[in-house]
Amino acid sequence: DVKVTQSSRYLVKRTGEKVFLECVQDMDHENMFWYRQDPGLGLRLIYFSYDVKMKEKGDIPEGYSVSREKKERFSLILESASTNQTSMYLCASSSHQAPYNEQFFGPGTRLTVL
Amino acid sequence: QKEVEQNSGPLSVPEGAIASLNCTYSDRGSQSFFWYRQYSGKSPELIMFIYSNGDKEDGRFTAQLNKASQYVSLLIRDSQPSDSATYLCAVKGYSTLTFGKGTMLLVSP
Repeated sequence: DVKVTQSSRYLVKRTGEKVFLECVQDMDHENMFWYRQDPGLGLRLIYFSYDVKMKEKGDIPEGYSVSREKKERFSLILESASTNQTSMYLCASSSHQAPYNEQFFGPGTRLTVL
Repeated sequence: QKEVEQNSGPLSVPEGAIASLNCTYSDRGSQSFFWYRQYSGKSPELIMFIYSNGDKEDGRFTAQLNKASQYVSLLIRDSQPSDSATYLCAVKGYSTLTFGKGTMLLVSP
């Protein structure tokens, strides 16, 4: 079974703090993704990565950065957290080898910025 | 801008009925289509994917694809209260998925 884990289920931070969200997958997947999910707005792609040290902007990259130093780990960084970044953050991974590149999600991190 | 449209619902059906969930997409070049189920407070879980026109069945679930009409649907037969969730349609572009906002399904006992 594909397993995608995220470092925290719930996180509370203050405005201006630097926030790190970690994601680890154990299936040797090449592709990893970060989304945020908000009521009424659905799932929106923040950043994704095809390979170690590679990153691509998604639909809403402003205010975020990412790091992928190892194949299994993909980190999302909020350089200076703001209240409008309060959201559910979801990490996903997929394989180049899978015919249709289906994505598998981690449990999510609910981030609250005060 | 690629768009994936779903009726937000809620779609209410009685236990044992067929639930029909619909999705339209704007990118005519899309090749793969996915249905995810998301329980409240949980992350999306892949149910099915389809890439050829027609029907694909897996247990109580049937995905239907009509590329000419740019339409994907998910049928759930013999609906159970445990099927109550939000169902997300996703369409694969060149390298990423575009998700619809989801349809909430409520199955009453």
